[in-house]
Amino acid sequence: SYVLTQPPSVSVAPGKTARITCGGNNIGSKSVHWYQQKPGQAPVLVIYYDSDRPSGIPERFSGSNSGNTATLTISRVEAGDEADYYCQVWDSSSDPDVVFGGGTKLTVL
Amino acid sequence: QVTLKESGPVLVKPTETLTLTCTVSGFSLSNARMGVSWIRQPPGKALEWLAHIFSNDEKSYSTSLKSRLTISKDTSKSQVVLTMTNMDPVDTATYYCARIRVGATPWFDYWGQGTLVTVSS
Repeated sequence: SYVLTQPPSVSVAPGKTARITCGGNNIGSKSVHWYQQKPGQAPVLVIYYDSDRPSGIPERFSGSNSGNTATLTISRVEAGDEADYYCQVWDSSSDPDVVFGGGTKLTVL
Repeated sequence: QVTLKESGPVLVKPTETLTLTCTVSGFSLSNARMGVSWIRQPPGKALEWLAHIFSNDEKSYSTSLKSRLTISKDTSKSQVVLTMTNMDPVDTATYYCARIRVGATPWFDYWGQGTLVTVSS
């Protein structure tokens, strides 16, 4: 099965840039989606198709994907961005179809 | 406005069968560009995909749980049902249903609030 690897935690000061990585074998050939989950809440889609933002998601959230690493970048980090972030791929040629990363806890210092 | 809402028991005993219902609104389960997945999250742990179903009744299950899961839908009631047999304490988790947007690579664009299921005698 396909494995997505995320760092357990990332810390960043307010106003700085946070980068959360998602590693996978040749992940650049797949489309990656990202979800934000705040404590006690359901996940929210923040990036789909590597770098597209759903309506309502601030432009501070961006994504990229190349080689063996996809990256979620949060610019001008705010206290309200503190959350867990999960990457996800869907590959019907693999088993299982849907894979989530282990999640990254973003702490705003 | 798209909403999904999970319902079912909050407590089940080991070996029992869990039945969860996801009631959706704001879209139709017959829409070919959409589907519904079940995803769970044990306390303090990561998300785990369980199963999904599409408008044409195409279904797929987690490899590790396939023998225990059944997903179905009732389009007229706007409901998707997941059953999981032989529940174990390790199945204690918040269970979410989420809408799938069908595309080159599907994604989950709306999620229910989740329902916490505890497995204990």
